[in-house]
Amino acid sequence: GAVVSQHPSRVICKSGTSVKIECRSLDFQATTMFWYRQFPKQSLMLMATSNEGSKATYEQGVEKDKFLINHASLTLSTLTVTSAHPEDSSFYICSAREGGSAETQYFGPGTRLLVL
Amino acid sequence: AQTVTQSQPEMSVQEAETVTLSCTYDTSESDYYLFWYKQPPSRQMILVIRQEAYKQQNATENRFSVNFQKAAKSFSLKISDSQLGDAAMYFCAYLRGQGGSEKLVFGKGTKLTVNP
Repeated sequence: GAVVSQHPSRVICKSGTSVKIECRSLDFQATTMFWYRQFPKQSLMLMATSNEGSKATYEQGVEKDKFLINHASLTLSTLTVTSAHPEDSSFYICSAREGGSAETQYFGPGTRLLVL
Repeated sequence: AQTVTQSQPEMSVQEAETVTLSCTYDTSESDYYLFWYKQPPSRQMILVIRQEAYKQQNATENRFSVNFQKAAKSFSLKISDSQLGDAAMYFCAYLRGQGGSEKLVFGKGTKLTVNP
């Protein structure tokens, strides 16, 4: 149980375009989802917390207008990188937490974004 | 602010031997959770073990066990009978916050190599 999927697994796009990444909890309802960014050989950096039906909470230094997060249902959150630039190239990972089990987060397999 | 420190960027162990990965953290809270996550080359984050701070008994999951020293704010991971599949990045994480605002804070990770 507790499976989280992400789509796509990798994406290449041109500079200036927007890219949407989906995060789904497959066998549980996730009241809260998290979006992380991971640079090569580094740790995970929390970008934002997404709560179903409400606005996302962004970490300090993360541009909310550039990284749009939508959590429209209990099983789906999306991250849209708007007007992507090469410096946005990174590995993006989502995680999900069940409502009744607040401690443990289950992670998706990640999405590798390359902006040319 | 809570911080998590993993002082060993890299560790190596012979197959079938035991290895211990170190983690210390800083917090003023009395109730919290600690986790070890494994990230193999596939980059999928996998929960290895978790510890609730109010429990004195050290958590154990098969070959994985922790040495939780609350007063010293230490949370080390012991891997017994190491297997080639244990090779990965290992991240120690602290769950901070309360009332639905829980967020994971990760250490910088330890790269574990298992030698045949």
